[in-house]
Amino acid sequence: QVQLAQSGDEVKKPGSSVKVSCNVSGGTFSNYPVTWVRQAPGQGLEWMGRITPVTGMTNLAQKFQGRVTITADKSTTTSYMELSSLRSEDTAVYYCATGLTTRYSLDVWGQGTTVTVSS
Amino acid sequence: IVLTQSPDTLSLSPGESATLSCRASHSVNSIYLSWYQHKPGQGPRLLIYGASNRATGIPDRFSGSGSGTDFTLTISRLEPEDFAMYYCYQYGISPPATFGQGTKVEIK
Repeated sequence: QVQLAQSGDEVKKPGSSVKVSCNVSGGTFSNYPVTWVRQAPGQGLEWMGRITPVTGMTNLAQKFQGRVTITADKSTTTSYMELSSLRSEDTAVYYCATGLTTRYSLDVWGQGTTVTVSS
Repeated sequence: IVLTQSPDTLSLSPGESATLSCRASHSVNSIYLSWYQHKPGQGPRLLIYGASNRATGIPDRFSGSGSGTDFTLTISRLEPEDFAMYYCYQYGISPPATFGQGTKVEIK
C-alpha cells in the first residue's frame, strides 16, 4: 500500500526558505509524478508543480517559477519542495500527492505540512 | 487552462442529489480530468479519474461525465459524510495543471 509521509510543521521568518520532504513507501518510486499542492487559509487547492522521479523532469506553475525547487532522491524515494523568499501569503498547508491508477490523477496524498510565515 | 466550477456553494439536504459543474477555458483531454473531495484537517480524496471512472473504494452514488470543456460530478442520494468541498483538476502538460476554485456542498 503506497503511503506518502511528509516532514513536520514549520515556522519561518519572511524572506527565508522552507524545504518540505515527502517520502514515498510501499510502492515503486516510479514513472508517476509526485505533485505538490498547497492550500492557504480560507482558500482552495493550488497546484505548485510536479516532478517525474525517474527522469527528474519538473513542471512548475508560472506563479512559483524562480521561487520553488522540486527535487527527487531515488535512493531514498523522497521528493522535496523548497520555497524561497517566503512571505506571509505563503502561509499554507503543503501537500504532496502521486498517481496510482494513472499518472494523470492524484490517488494518494501526504498528511500535509503546515508552513507558517511570520515575523 | 482555467477551470471554473459552479456553483460556489450548494445547499442541499441528505438524500437529495448534487450536480457540480467544471468548465474549462480550453478543451481538456478527458483522461486528464479528475475530481476530489476535501474535508477540513484531511488530505483530499480522489473520487473520479479520467472524467468518468470511479476510484477504488468510491461508492457508486458518485459519478462523473463530460468531455471537451464541460465536465460534471453527480452525487446521488447525499449521505451526511458527503458534505465537503469538491474540486476538479486537470493534469495538463503545457500549460501545466490546474484546480478549479471548488464547490462547497453544505447541509441545508
